Amino acid sequence: KAGVTQTPRYLIKTRGQQVTLSCSPISGHRSVSWYQQTPGQGLQFLFEYFSETQRNKGNFPGRFSGRQFSNSRSEMNVSTLELGDSALYLCASSNRPGEHSTDTQYFGPGTRLTVL
Amino acid sequence: QKEVEQNSGPLSVPEGAIASLNCTYSDRGSQSFFWYRQYSGKSPELIMSIYSNGDKEDGRFTAQLNKASQYVSLLIRDSQPSDSATYLCAARMDSSYKLIFGSGTRLLVRP
Repeated sequence: KAGVTQTPRYLIKTRGQQVTLSCSPISGHRSVSWYQQTPGQGLQFLFEYFSETQRNKGNFPGRFSGRQFSNSRSEMNVSTLELGDSALYLCASSNRPGEHSTDTQYFGPGTRLTVL
Repeated sequence: QKEVEQNSGPLSVPEGAIASLNCTYSDRGSQSFFWYRQYSGKSPELIMSIYSNGDKEDGRFTAQLNKASQYVSLLIRDSQPSDSATYLCAARMDSSYKLIFGSGTRLLVRP
């Protein structure tokens, strides 16, 4: 079974631009979460979707948004990019809704975003 | 105060030794705990999950959880150079996939 895929893998943008990142979960998985990883702040939760509904949002400004489609694929968008948005953006998926302790999620390879 | 704390390391152990990685968490509502391994430039890979007090073993890995002390650990027996990576501890409240990660401990296994 194919793993989580993320596109593009690498992206270079300039300040003020916007960017859209895509995540395709493992087949059959309906839960998708997004995380940002930077050397200074580590791995931080962005948001979580289950069956097209955003269930949780992390402590990020409104410039960060996301959505999930009926086929469980998800996109996240960052508008008005800042230098500090340079990071590895990771997507994770699960076949469970996350209600039980044993539910786990699996990470994709990530999209490396560089903002110049 | 970070909600999940880890010593950043590096923790250096010789090949064949036991590596002990530790993690503390502040939110008593945390129910599940996860250890991920991350190689440089790669995404995190799930090693173990644990949600009950006590030990959970899987091959060379043993996770330990003590909810009273708010402490989670990962033991790696017979450490190999290929185990050299950053180990991330994460905590989760049930009913969502919002994981709170520690900053990670870098492990170096010397041949």
